[in-house]
Amino acid sequence: NAGVTQTPKFQVLKTGQSMTLQCAQDMNHEYMSWYRQDPGMGLRLIHYSVGAGITDQGEVPNGYNVSRSTTEDFPLRLLSAAPSQTSVYFCASSYSTGGATEAFFGQGTRLTVV
Amino acid sequence: RKEVEQDPGPFNVPEGATVAFNCTYSNSASQSFFWYRQDCRKEPKLLMSVYSSGNEDGRFTAQLNRASQYISLLIRDSKLSDSATYLCVVNPVTGTASKLTFGTGTRLQVTL
Repeated sequence: NAGVTQTPKFQVLKTGQSMTLQCAQDMNHEYMSWYRQDPGMGLRLIHYSVGAGITDQGEVPNGYNVSRSTTEDFPLRLLSAAPSQTSVYFCASSYSTGGATEAFFGQGTRLTVV
Repeated sequence: RKEVEQDPGPFNVPEGATVAFNCTYSNSASQSFFWYRQDCRKEPKLLMSVYSSGNEDGRFTAQLNRASQYISLLIRDSKLSDSATYLCVVNPVTGTASKLTFGTGTRLQVTL
């Protein structure tokens, strides 16, 4: 009963390094999203995907890339890490319905950029 | 102006108390509304959806006022285990939860 799995749970990067945050879901959900959570800011949408091969930008996409080659996986790439990207990153998945639907979140990745 | 505004708290209440949280949202076209709960250093989890007719789940009651763009959550008979941050969440679309807008959260601390 894995749900949404994020790896790694913790990461420290140096300014300018690149890395990929992994997200996988085993619920066959069509929709996946990446959010970042900063103190006093709430969760903010970075990128989202409505299905394999389809991605779009959210509120704060700069400095991040995504791809969705399979239904299960939605990795988030930091191209050149900056201290402003120090945050907690959450991946979420959801399914389509005719009305209100629930988002299921992974346990988060705590990223520090020094 | 933030799209979803909440009082950050903290609300410190004794066990057994009734506590109410409020939230306002700015996008009048928003389609669906939720309260999520987030424990310290954990992921958000759905507490309940919010409907105009009001809905209740045990000790929790949620209410939506579309005309005032206002959402509320009432917790009766507070338990120590209710201590958490409560996130007001608005969805601009229907049928999917891929683009949620979150408030900053209201922190609740229930004490003995």
